[in-house]
Amino acid sequence: DIQMTQSPSSLSASVGDRVTITCRTSQSVNTYLNWYQQKPGKAPNLLIYATSNLQSGVPSRFSGSGFGTDFTLTISSLQPEDFATYYCQQSYSPPPMTFGGGTKVEIK
Amino acid sequence: EVQLVESGGGLVQPGGSLRLSCAASGFIFSNYWMSWVRQAPGKGLEWVATIKGDGSEKNYVDSVKGRFTISRDYTENSVYLQMNSLRADDTAVYYCARWRRSQSEFTHWGQGALVAVSS
Repeated sequence: DIQMTQSPSSLSASVGDRVTITCRTSQSVNTYLNWYQQKPGKAPNLLIYATSNLQSGVPSRFSGSGFGTDFTLTISSLQPEDFATYYCQQSYSPPPMTFGGGTKVEIK
Repeated sequence: EVQLVESGGGLVQPGGSLRLSCAASGFIFSNYWMSWVRQAPGKGLEWVATIKGDGSEKNYVDSVKGRFTISRDYTENSVYLQMNSLRADDTAVYYCARWRRSQSEFTHWGQGALVAVSS
């Protein structure tokens, strides 16, 4: 199975900051990498699919990039509603569909 | 509007059984793969099972194979997760999710159902 490593596991940032989260896979997944946002007590919400495609309704301050084994999620200007936990998920060779361990974005 | 509503969660003893239901609306149910994803308390997300739109293909994470069964009912527009031989490490919030096969992402999620396995 493909293993997923997210970094950092948590970070503190201020409103307006540029935030970058990294996801690394144990083998190439081409561009089959998705990102989710989860707020406390809520279900995850799809942000980006296939590395860089913004899901409908997601603000343009979110962007994704990468290829192969290294991927990034960037929030260009952090907003109060963006404080949450973010998960990457590989979809190259399903099943299984594996998730990263998550990155918690907290208020500095 | 796509809606997924889970039910059937609760407290069960180790070795017991429970069936989760997920009522789907707002889309053509038979056209979509459906999945269950779980999240243990304070932990990350773990895919559990997936079923094809016509029910002809089912997949499970290794840790639940032989114990859990995913199924779907087209008259009720519902997907189910029958969970047998439950263990403490099955304790989690279980989410029903619609899965888009083309890019393999989970596009819509229910609110979740809590399953607690404890004596």
